[in-house]
Amino acid sequence: EIVMTQSPATLSVSPGERATLSCRASQSVSSNLAWYQQKPGQAPRLLIYGASTRATGIPARFSGSGSGTEFTLTISSLQSEDFAVYYCQQYNNWPLWTFGQGTKVEIK
Amino acid sequence: EVQLVESGGGLVQPGGSLRLSCAASGFTFSSYSMNWVRQAPGKGLEWVSYISSSSSTIYYADSVKGRFTISRDNAKNSLYLQMNSLRDEDTAVYYCARTATIFGVVIYYFDYWGQGTLVTVSS
Repeated sequence: EIVMTQSPATLSVSPGERATLSCRASQSVSSNLAWYQQKPGQAPRLLIYGASTRATGIPARFSGSGSGTEFTLTISSLQSEDFAVYYCQQYNNWPLWTFGQGTKVEIK
Repeated sequence: EVQLVESGGGLVQPGGSLRLSCAASGFTFSSYSMNWVRQAPGKGLEWVSYISSSSSTIYYADSVKGRFTISRDNAKNSLYLQMNSLRDEDTAVYYCARTATIFGVVIYYFDYWGQGTLVTVSS
């Protein structure tokens, strides 16, 4: 099983500031990495796939980078609606899909 | 608009059974593989099961293998999860999620999710 480790667990950011979230895989997943956003009481929403491709309708302030074992999700200027929990997921080793434990982005 | 609506959750005793359903609309259901993913209270996401578009390929997480059965009815645009021998640790919100397919090629991330249905296993 590929273990996905996200850091930090919680990120306190002021609106308008930049947020940088990290995700590390225990072995290479190539670029087969997705990011999801989840707000309280809601389903996860796909943000990024292929490590860096924004999903349909996702604002340009969200960007993903990385390959192999190290990945980053950057939110360039945090809006109020961006405060949520973010999960990374590897799909290189399907059907043994695995998720990170999540990073909560909260208002500073 | 793609919609996935889960139902069938509830309170069940340890050792009991429950059948979850997921009604799909807004896309050609029979062309997509589907998944169940769960989230225990206050915890992260855990993939549970996968079924291909024609039901020919099925996978389970080790934690549910032998106890859960995934199935689908393409004529009814519906996905199911039969859960038997339920344990306390199966308590979670269960989501159905569509596997992404681009130009007919399955890409294996999950592009749409339902709102989930809560399963509580407790005596």
